[in-house]
This record gives sequence, C-alpha cells and structure tokens, in this order.
Amino acid sequence: DAKTTQPNSMESNEEEPVHLPCNHSTISGTDYIHWYRQLPSQGPEYVIHGLTSNVNNRMASLAIAEDRKSSTLILHRATLRDAAVYYCILSFGNEKLTFGTGTRLTIIP
Amino acid sequence: EPEVTQTPSHQVTQMGQEVILRCVPISNHLYFYWYRQILGQKVEFLVSFYNNEISEKSEIFDDQFSVERPDGSNFTLKIRSTKLEDSAMYFCASSEDRGKNSPLHFGNGTRLTVT
Repeated sequence: DAKTTQPNSMESNEEEPVHLPCNHSTISGTDYIHWYRQLPSQGPEYVIHGLTSNVNNRMASLAIAEDRKSSTLILHRATLRDAAVYYCILSFGNEKLTFGTGTRLTIIP
Repeated sequence: EPEVTQTPSHQVTQMGQEVILRCVPISNHLYFYWYRQILGQKVEFLVSFYNNEISEKSEIFDDQFSVERPDGSNFTLKIRSTKLEDSAMYFCASSEDRGKNSPLHFGNGTRLTVT
C-alpha cells in the first residue's frame, strides 16, 4: 500500500479553521484519498474522501494538490468535539484500510 | 443515522477460553469487516467478509479466528482459544459497496481483556 505521512500532533483554537496536512508522494493514479478520525474511546469514523477534485461535505473539506502528492483536510470551524486522531489513508480499491498513526488534533477552548 | 452496533462493550475472559464478539452491521450493507486495536497501537485489519465468505484476511487472522453471519443481521468474530495478546479493542465495520467509493462505518468496539 502507498504510504502517507502526517504530523504526529497539531493544536488549534476552538472556532477557528484547522488544516490537517497529508503527504502521499507515491500515490498511484487509482488511489483514493480517505480521511477517517477516531474520537477518544470510539471506533474510527469516516470523514471524507476524494480522487482528484476538491470535495466538501457537512463535516469537512478535502483539498487535493494538483499532482496528488499531498492533500489537506480542512475543518472550517473547530469545536471541542473535533478533538481526535485523524487518519489519512490511501485506498487501492480493496476493502482493507491500512491505518497509520495519524495526527492527534487538540482543540484549545 | 443508521449505525453499526457491537456487543458486549467489554468482555473479560480467561486465557484458553472461547469468545464470540457480536456485531449488527447497517441493514443494507453488504460488506463486513473486523479490525482490532491493541492499546496504544494502530488500528489493524483482520478480515473482510462478503456473500457469506471471507474475501480477504490478514496474517493476524489465523486458525484461532473465525467469522460468521449466522442470520440476516448479525456478524460475529470467534476466537477459539484466547491468548493474552488477543487483548484489544475489536471494531466491526460495514460498507454498502466494495472499493474506493464506499466508506466504512465502524462500531464503537468491544474491549476484550484476556487474563
């Protein structure tokens, strides 16, 4: 599976936007970029995914670089409930998701 | 919003005992998965299941593990003879379809403690 690189941790102030980066320089043309998050004591939760174009949903936006070697998950207005570990995962098209260590996001009130 | 439910939330068992972890996937989903997360470590794939058979499994999923969909709603993971190192959170997941466009919906897990 192609590898992703994320910062171990980030902090953000409540009610401000958060930009979570992910590098995936070895991404293949058919890999989708998925983001999941894991709140404390819960299972992973799907956030968003995309292939080439930027994507928006009710939870977040996904900005994908033109060369697809990096992407950024954008939380438009962070709340305390957004404190979680965020995982950037490349999906090759099979069912198996390979989770890395992700980015632990801390929200400062 | 429909969700994946898992029972029990916490299971304590003695080494060598059999355990069955239960999951009720989202009703119109066709693909089912088990993942586990040892305390402080990454979430790891165990097995995927479709059309009443295993479609993929990891090296972790050895002969001690089995999965079953005994009826139209439940999806179970059985560990025949538990070991101390099986202690972990076990997450069930389901998806509507296979592949790149189908997100996985996870349950909140069963914490298995083997003593």
